[in-house]
Amino acid sequence: DAGVIQSPRHEVTEMGQEVTLRCKLISGHNSLFWYRQTMMRGLELLIYFNNNVPIDDSGMPEDRFSAKMPNASFSTLKIQPSEPRDSAVYFCASSLLNQPQHFGDGTRLSIL
Amino acid sequence: SQELEQSPQSLIVQEGKNLTINCTSSKTLYGLYWYKQKYGEGLIFLMMLQKGGEEKSHEKITAKLDEKKQQSSLHITASQPSHAGIYLCGAGGGSEKLVFGKGTKLTVNP
Repeated sequence: DAGVIQSPRHEVTEMGQEVTLRCKLISGHNSLFWYRQTMMRGLELLIYFNNNVPIDDSGMPEDRFSAKMPNASFSTLKIQPSEPRDSAVYFCASSLLNQPQHFGDGTRLSIL
Repeated sequence: SQELEQSPQSLIVQEGKNLTINCTSSKTLYGLYWYKQKYGEGLIFLMMLQKGGEEKSHEKITAKLDEKKQQSSLHITASQPSHAGIYLCGAGGGSEKLVFGKGTKLTVNP
């Protein structure tokens, strides 16, 4: 079975540009989580969805960040405009109710 | 909010040695997850513990949750270079948000 698929794996862009990260859930999973990992802060939850509905977005840093689930198997995380402090590895994870979360391989984002 | 503290932050052992990583919670744990991460890769699920006193093993890795459900340990027996990586504990889970510890970086020298 295919796992959680994230794209791109690496993204380097200049500050001020729009960045879109993509995530394909494992088929049949109904919960979707976006995380950010940095050396200083570790792994932090940004937002999560149950059945396509955002449940908790309290971890989203500011209005420059937005996440959507246009359908049950796909999600995007957008940063506009991007800033150097947004540089991090971004992970998405999916799960079934009360089951362990399965993580993608992450997107390594560098904002110059 | 729940906080998880892991110790040690890093660990260097000789191949064949046993080791233990600890995860302590500020609140009662209702679901405790152990993940392993290799550099440049995502998190790999290892084990989930839910009941006080529960213990699970997979190959040479054993995880325990104490009776009070506020502390968990991960024990590796006869470590191998393939065990190297970052081990993270997470609380919550399933369709609820996971809070993670900062991780323990394990190096196993051949």
